[in-house]
Order: sequence, then structure tokens, then C-alpha cells
Amino acid sequence: TAGITQAPTSQILAAGRSMTLRCTQDMRHNAMYWYRQDLGLGLRLIHYSNTAGTTGKGEVPDGYSVSRANTDDFPLTLASAVPSQTSVYFCASRDSGYGYTFGSGTRLTVV
Amino acid sequence: AQSVTQLDSQVPVFEEAPVELRCNYSSSVSVYLFWYVQYPNQGLQLLLKYLSGSTLVESINGFEAEFNKSQTSFHLRKPSVHISDTAEYFCAVSVPMDSSYKLIFGSGTRLLVRP
Repeated sequence: TAGITQAPTSQILAAGRSMTLRCTQDMRHNAMYWYRQDLGLGLRLIHYSNTAGTTGKGEVPDGYSVSRANTDDFPLTLASAVPSQTSVYFCASRDSGYGYTFGSGTRLTVV
Repeated sequence: AQSVTQLDSQVPVFEEAPVELRCNYSSSVSVYLFWYVQYPNQGLQLLLKYLSGSTLVESINGFEAEFNKSQTSFHLRKPSVHISDTAEYFCAVSVPMDSSYKLIFGSGTRLLVRP
């Protein structure tokens, strides 16, 4: 089934450690996004990429970095995790219209 | 700046009763509107969307939403809910950004259907 694959599904991470959340799509969508979901706040945009080789900052980019070496992959890196980064992270892509597809999420706990 | 407001954080309702989940948006440009549903411990699923044309849009499981431009609203309704409709519902708008588009989400409404 075509879609977005995120890994890992969940992770417990010690504060100060680094981690990369993986996101892969097989739909050849140019636009990709990373959101974090927090209770009472909905989903907030962290970073985005309009096409391979380009990235941009969303609403809450601090502490996160992304890269887009090719169309399919859009990893999100936490260089030095802090407890406030405990959240559920969703990767998404958009087709040439207005169809957004979401991954199943990564639940991250920073302790 | 664009924003989405979902005034109700939780809506409890009895099974087979009607329900309305409210969504208002703020935008100075034309927007495209979406409702997503999230079941416990799952990702987001598209429920319905308004892009253009008829202002009343329907989903396959009985939900409907009406785009009201004058009131900048996109409320979600269902005439008779089921226990299985218990979930978190997110209203979102797709707005222009950096030669592309992004989704802006409301804070979500938890629909709790009781027997």
C-alpha cells in the first residue's frame, strides 16, 4: 500500500542524546512536512521541504533539523534532546493538488 | 496570520444523538478546509475536505461539513453518532507558504460517545 512509513514507532530517549526520526514515502510527492502533536495544541509544523534539496522552518523549528537528499526520504534530527521535545511526531506529504497523507507517527519520550 | 479555532476541547454525546463540532478559521486569502479524525493511538485520517464547488461536503461514514465564507466557519455535523465515532477530530486549513502550501490545525475536539 502506497503511503508514508515512519520509524521507530516509539522511543524513550535520555536527555542530551541525539536521535533521527525516519520518514519515507513512495508516492513521489514533492512536498513533505514534519509536525509535532501535543495535547491541547493540535499539530504544529516543525520543518518542511517543497522539493528535494530544499527545506524550510515551520512554527516550532528550534532544536530540530531536517534534510532532503532525495524525493522519498525526509529525516528529522534532534541534536540534543530535551524533555520538552516529548511528543508524537507525524511526517506528511502533499500531492500536486491538496491531498495530504500522514504517517502513523513516532511517539518520543525524553527523560 | 492564518489560524484555526476549535472552541470545544471535548464534546460528550449519547449514542444516536446528533452532534456538531465547531471550527472557525481566520485568513486573508482563500483557503482549503479539511477535517481529520484520529482514533486512539493511530495517525490522522482524512474525513472530508472543501476545495471548491458545493459548500456542503460529505464523508462516507455519515459526517458532513458546510463551508460558510461569511462566518468563516466549517462546522462538522452528524445526525446520529455511533460508539465507534469516539475519536479526536481536527479541523485544518491549507494556506499558501513559500511557493507551496501548509496545513494549519486547530487544537482538536475529542468526541466522546456514550451508550
